[in-house]
Amino acid sequence: QKEVEQNSGPLSVPEGAIASLNCTYSDRVSQSFFWYRQYSGKSPELIMSIYSNGDKEDGRFTAQLNKASQYVSLLIRDSQPSDSATYLCAVNIGGGADGLTFGKGTHLIIQP
Amino acid sequence: GAVVSQHPSWVICKSGTSVKIECRSLDFQATTMFWYRQFPKQSLMLMATSNEGSKATYEQGVEKDKFLINHASLTLSTLTVTSAHPEDSSFYICSAHLSGNTIYFGEGSWLTVV
Repeated sequence: QKEVEQNSGPLSVPEGAIASLNCTYSDRVSQSFFWYRQYSGKSPELIMSIYSNGDKEDGRFTAQLNKASQYVSLLIRDSQPSDSATYLCAVNIGGGADGLTFGKGTHLIIQP
Repeated sequence: GAVVSQHPSWVICKSGTSVKIECRSLDFQATTMFWYRQFPKQSLMLMATSNEGSKATYEQGVEKDKFLINHASLTLSTLTVTSAHPEDSSFYICSAHLSGNTIYFGEGSWLTVV
């Protein structure tokens, strides 16, 4: 059974600090990994995608993937109050043919 | 602008009635679309895979006779919740894959059954 695990939080981080979000997945053949941000009552929006081991940086965001440990993380540098949201980790096993398996999300609070 | 559009954004219906939610891909064709459901403070759960021109594939535990999916064209998939009950009240979201791993989500549809 496909599982994606996240700490539900809330994770409270001071403004300007680094927020670290973690995710583990159970299916070793998973190919694609995504981080989505979801504001209350809204559809998720893509923050980062990562497909190979290592780090991927995009602005203030860095995604890290370790397939051997079945672990993916998201770092948010210089956290802003507007970053406060629920962050969903999602995994795609078969590429475009499969839907995504989501974790339950981590509620992030950036304290001004 | 949105590349995947859902309609309606929110709907209230009486218990026992049916309600249809549309998911349209804008400016691209989607042979496959996906329907998710999200209860309050829960994650998105994949309900079914909608395949253009063929039957939808449902995830375990999702009643295919209750959640009817039709994907009659390359840009439109519909989800019909039949004989809706209050426990079906949820946030329903569709997604479409443009190519490979480029995934677009619709804006979501809030369903309240009273």
